Amino acid sequence: DTAVSQTPKYLVTQMGNDKSIKCEQNLGHDTMYWYKQDSKKFLKIMFSYNNKELIINETVPNRFSPKSPDKAHLNLHINSLELGDSAVYFCASSQARAYGYTFGSGTRLTVV
Amino acid sequence: GEDVEQSLFLSVREGDSSVINCTYTDSSSTYLYWYKQEPGAGLQLLTYIFSNMDMKQDQRLTVLLNKKDKHLSLRIADTQTGDSAIYFCAESITGGYNKLIFGAGTRLAVHP
Repeated sequence: DTAVSQTPKYLVTQMGNDKSIKCEQNLGHDTMYWYKQDSKKFLKIMFSYNNKELIINETVPNRFSPKSPDKAHLNLHINSLELGDSAVYFCASSQARAYGYTFGSGTRLTVV
Repeated sequence: GEDVEQSLFLSVREGDSSVINCTYTDSSSTYLYWYKQEPGAGLQLLTYIFSNMDMKQDQRLTVLLNKKDKHLSLRIADTQTGDSAIYFCAESITGGYNKLIFGAGTRLAVHP
């Protein structure tokens, strides 16, 4: 199946821990993104990579660090997790404006 | 600034038409999109419209674009219970990169 896949789907962890979320796309797209969706369903862009190069870096705490080993993968590492980091994190990819983004199914992060 | 606004809730009777409205701020946006999010899932691209178009029809979906008022709408004909979901409007911000700004989403409830 051609898709954007994220792992894990659910992540429950304690405050202060460090965790990673992985994302892979097999669509051949050049650009990948991380979005955060809060409890009110509001979506906000965090980062974007184009062919392994960081091109969008919104105002995000530096505890969040994206890494793109190749254009098909974009991982998100979060240090020193806080309660306010609880959200659903979506990975997406795109090739051209006309086709929008293809989203993964999301990772629900709960910090306790 | 970058802002997309939508009403938060819409309730319709099965078989009626639904109209979801959206306003955006970037007058030079080239593409505008409608996404659908079902519970526990990622966002699915429903349709998009290029800024030089006024209307686009795709089966039960009709998109209307009023560039002067920066107003976008999505009409769903013969709304079914399976259409119950959150619908997001998004604009593609001009510039070198395909950055999408999303509205807060409209929760559509379809009742018998």
